[in-house]
Amino acid sequence: DTGVSQDPRHKITKRGQNVTFRCDPISEHNRLYWYRQTLGQGPEFLTYFQNEAQLEKSRLLSDRFSAERPKGSFSTLEIQRTEQGDSAMYLCASSPVNQPQHFGDGTRLSIL
Amino acid sequence: EDQVTQSPEALRLQEGESSSLNCSYTVSGLRGLFWYRQDPGKGPEFLFTLYSAGEEKEKERLKATLTKKESFLHITAPKPEDSATYLCAVQISTGNQFYFGTGTSLTVIP
Repeated sequence: DTGVSQDPRHKITKRGQNVTFRCDPISEHNRLYWYRQTLGQGPEFLTYFQNEAQLEKSRLLSDRFSAERPKGSFSTLEIQRTEQGDSAMYLCASSPVNQPQHFGDGTRLSIL
Repeated sequence: EDQVTQSPEALRLQEGESSSLNCSYTVSGLRGLFWYRQDPGKGPEFLFTLYSAGEEKEKERLKATLTKKESFLHITAPKPEDSATYLCAVQISTGNQFYFGTGTSLTVIP
């Protein structure tokens, strides 16, 4: 069990640029979740996949955000035309069905 | 509206001074309640899952309990290494989203 891996750990970009994050879940976990966490807050659900199917998206998720999990293994989260308010920690978690989630250490995004 | 509230926001304890953290929830139906520990700059680390009122789980100095409206995380004789933010999350029975509280930041002073 190598744990959930996220890359990069830190990303600094200018407002208006596109960014993409990668998550490699624990290999036997078929569920994968993306969360956003700002300082002093708990993780906020963005979306989740079961295998390659994206089954739920937060109603708060802007259409500038898109996520994929093409082969049911790793996942990417892309943010287009970044804004100041996108600055946050982006967390990925994975789990077997109806089991606790295991989190990666996140990608910290800073928008200049 | 589904809601999770944690209290207190911050807690400072002397080493060995036991206390409890609270997580109250208002959800349409509870599938499970989860406790996590989060250290600065790290992702949340899973501690416990509770599924039904009356259930209790223990791990070292931590004990989690669940009622129909709230959960408690009891910390017995804490040590400085227990300092962290403790998060609770609920999974509702009608979906697969997890709703997190804002956490309790615990500091244990030697």
